Amino acid sequence: ETGVTQSPTHLIKTRGQQVTLRCSSQSGHNTVSWYQQALGQGPQFIFQYYREEENGRGNFPPRFSGLQFPNYSSELNVNALELDDSALYLCASSSGGRNTDTQYFGPGTRLTVL
Amino acid sequence: DQQVKQNSPSLSVQEGRISILNCDYTNSMFDYFLWYKKYPAEGPTFLISISSIKDKNEDGRFTVFLNKSAKHLSLHIVPSQPGDSAVYFCAARSGGSNYKLTFGKGTLLTVNP
Repeated sequence: ETGVTQSPTHLIKTRGQQVTLRCSSQSGHNTVSWYQQALGQGPQFIFQYYREEENGRGNFPPRFSGLQFPNYSSELNVNALELDDSALYLCASSSGGRNTDTQYFGPGTRLTVL
Repeated sequence: DQQVKQNSPSLSVQEGRISILNCDYTNSMFDYFLWYKKYPAEGPTFLISISSIKDKNEDGRFTVFLNKSAKHLSLHIVPSQPGDSAVYFCAARSGGSNYKLTFGKGTLLTVNP
């Protein structure tokens, strides 16, 4: 069973640029959630995709967008990068459909915005 | 407004002793709680969870206690081992359509040999 993978591991961008982060969900999982973890904070929910549809969104502006593909992998896109977007971006997959389903996290992508 | 609070940024214990990590929450709609452990340069790893209809769940060395009236939960690790040294996050979820997790800020546990 393959776990959750994310790419790239690290990324450096400049303010105003756009970035795409990728996530492959764990085998058998159809739900992907994205979180942003700033330094010294806990992860904050960005949004969730369930069977290719957005299934809920946290308090993030529209320049944070996402996609889920038929194989349940997912992308997180961030436009017009700001310095405060520097963080660890975590992807988590789960089976979906039940409140008790555990979310399993990938290793994260460290984004630095200069 | 922080709905999940871990008021101790760090905790240090001796190997073999008990580690107790605490978490408080404010949202009465939370009905499922999880603990994750995070090592540097890795994603959070699921440890143990508890539904709001229970007050205790045990898995090996890890036990989670839930006090709904106090809106408080705790994770007990017995006996503590040096490999347990990591940041521990408490997370909560409310029923609904998106099952998002709300995390605390984490507690850094250091287990000394």
